[in-house]
Amino acid sequence: DGGITQSPKYLFRKEGQNVTLSCEQNLNHDAMYWYRQDPGQGLRLIYYSQIVNDFQKGDIAEGYSVSREKKESFPLTVTSAQKNPTAFYLCASTRGENLPLHFGNGTRLTVT
Amino acid sequence: EDQVTQSPEALRLQEGESSSLNCSYTVSGLRGLFWYRQDPGKGPEFLFTLYSAGEEKEKERLKATLTKKESFLHITAPKPEDSATYLCAVHYGGSQGNLIFGKGTKLSVKP
Repeated sequence: DGGITQSPKYLFRKEGQNVTLSCEQNLNHDAMYWYRQDPGQGLRLIYYSQIVNDFQKGDIAEGYSVSREKKESFPLTVTSAQKNPTAFYLCASTRGENLPLHFGNGTRLTVT
Repeated sequence: EDQVTQSPEALRLQEGESSSLNCSYTVSGLRGLFWYRQDPGKGPEFLFTLYSAGEEKEKERLKATLTKKESFLHITAPKPEDSATYLCAVHYGGSQGNLIFGKGTKLSVKP
């Protein structure tokens, strides 16, 4: 079955450490996205990529970095510069503009 | 400012008690409105896309409608398994990154 795989499901890190969240899709979608979800807030866009080797900042890109070396993969690094990294992170992809997003099941990151 | 507002924040229904969820938006150049369902600890699951005012989509007990200012998700005779958070998202303007999500409506259906 085609879909988006995010790993790990839960991740724990100490403050000051960088951490990388994995996102892989086998839907052959060109565009991929990273969102952050906090209680009581809507999903907020961190980064998105419409094509390999190209990506754009979203509304809350500070403290995060991404790469898109392969169509299937869009890893997100949460750096030590991110002031409030504890959150639920969602990766998504879409076949094209103005079409619905398909989401992975998220990674819950806890930084202490 | 471009905004998407969902109401109510939470809704508790008895099984079989029909109701509606609202998603109002203020954006320039609506390209599409999306409804998703999200279960706890999971990613959102796509339900419907609406592209123009007057459009309606239906799936089982759910029906989504769209006007120029808002969308409704009507739930007819809900069952406990319909309990979830329902998210609305609006795509607007010319950039693929122009997608705003509402904060969601948490629906609880009691047997």
